[in-house]
Amino acid sequence: NAGVMQNPRHLVRRRGQEARLRCSPMKGHSHVYWYRQLPEEGLKFMVYLQKENIIDESGMPKERFSAEFPKEGPSILRIQQVVRGDSAAYFCASSPPRLAGPAYNEQFFGPGTRLTVL
Amino acid sequence: SQQGEEDPQALSIQEGENATMNCSYKTSINNLQWYRQNSGRGLVHLILIRSNEREKHSGRLRVTLDTSKKSSSLLITASRAADTASYFCATSSGGSNYKLTFGKGTLLTVNP
Repeated sequence: NAGVMQNPRHLVRRRGQEARLRCSPMKGHSHVYWYRQLPEEGLKFMVYLQKENIIDESGMPKERFSAEFPKEGPSILRIQQVVRGDSAAYFCASSPPRLAGPAYNEQFFGPGTRLTVL
Repeated sequence: SQQGEEDPQALSIQEGENATMNCSYKTSINNLQWYRQNSGRGLVHLILIRSNEREKHSGRLRVTLDTSKKSSSLLITASRAADTASYFCATSSGGSNYKLTFGKGTLLTVNP
């Protein structure tokens, strides 16, 4: 069973370009989470998606950032008109369908995409 | 300060020694987890401890949780060079059980 896949692993963009980051969850997982890690920082939650639904996007910047998880295909994190401050590692995690009640579903993390904005 | 802060920021020990890392948090939590991140890689889940638990073991790992002090510790016994990595605590709280809040991590270096 392959783990969470992310591509590309490294992405270089010039200011003003668009960045598209892809995440394929583990087989059988229908929940995807995106986190951002700035240099020397811990991960910060960005968005939680289920197939075709955004459940919680409270950590997403209000402008230029969007995420989707279509019925078919990987989840996409899209950053329009990138700026140098967007340079970071972007991690995707997935989990199986959530258990009822307060029980926690472990999130399995991908290797990340390191975005560098020149 | 942010939820989930680890200390020390960096720790250097010799192989075979024990390593202890601490994590403090500010709000009530549902559970607390520890993750490892090797340089330039993704995160590996190590252990989860629920708010009603006080101690948990997994192999060479021992985690304690003190909810009255809002703190947790991760002990790695008989460390190995391969344990060299950054270690993060992450908490979830309230109804957002899925939203993990990470600290800045402790960089552990185990010298052979």
